[in-house]
Amino acid sequence: EIVLTQSPATLSLSPGERATLSCRASQSVSSFLAWYQQKPGQAPRLLIYDASNRVTGIPARFSGSESGTDFTLTISSLEPEDFAVYYCQQRSNWPPTFGQGTRLEIK
Amino acid sequence: QVQLVESGGGVVQPGRSLRLSCAASGFTFSNFGMHWVRQAPGKGLEWVALIWYDGSYTYYGDSVKGRFTISRDNSKNMMYLQMNSLRAEDTAVYYCARDPGVEGAPLVVFDYWGQGTLVTVSS
Repeated sequence: EIVLTQSPATLSLSPGERATLSCRASQSVSSFLAWYQQKPGQAPRLLIYDASNRVTGIPARFSGSESGTDFTLTISSLEPEDFAVYYCQQRSNWPPTFGQGTRLEIK
Repeated sequence: QVQLVESGGGVVQPGRSLRLSCAASGFTFSNFGMHWVRQAPGKGLEWVALIWYDGSYTYYGDSVKGRFTISRDNSKNMMYLQMNSLRAEDTAVYYCARDPGVEGAPLVVFDYWGQGTLVTVSS
């Protein structure tokens, strides 16, 4: 089973700042990594699939990138509605697995 | 618009059974694979099960294999999760989620989610 390790566990930033969230895979997942956003009391929402493909309707301030087994979700300029928990998920190997999440909180 | 609505959650004693349902609307249900994903209180996400668009294949996570059964009725736009021999560690919000792969092998990404139904296993 592929283990995804997200860092940091909690990220404290202010609106307007740039957020960089990391996800490291225990082995190669090719580019088969997705990012989800979850707000309290809500279901997760798919943001990015296959490392860098933004879902239709997701603002352009969200972007994904990869370098080997390291993946990054960048939010270029934080809006108040972006403060949430973010999860990465791989679909390269069975079973699909999620990272433990990064909580993005308002500083 | 795509809508997924789960139901059937509740409080159940260890060792007992429960069946969850997921009602789909706003898309051609029979064209898409479907998943169950769960989230224990205050914890992260765990994939539970997958069923192909036509029900021909099913897959399970190791933690539920042999105890849970996923199924679907395309004539009713419904998906189900039969959960037997429930354990305390099965306590979670259970989400149904759509796979965006159309009439083929699932992509194993979750593009639409329901609001979830809470299952609590406790004596």
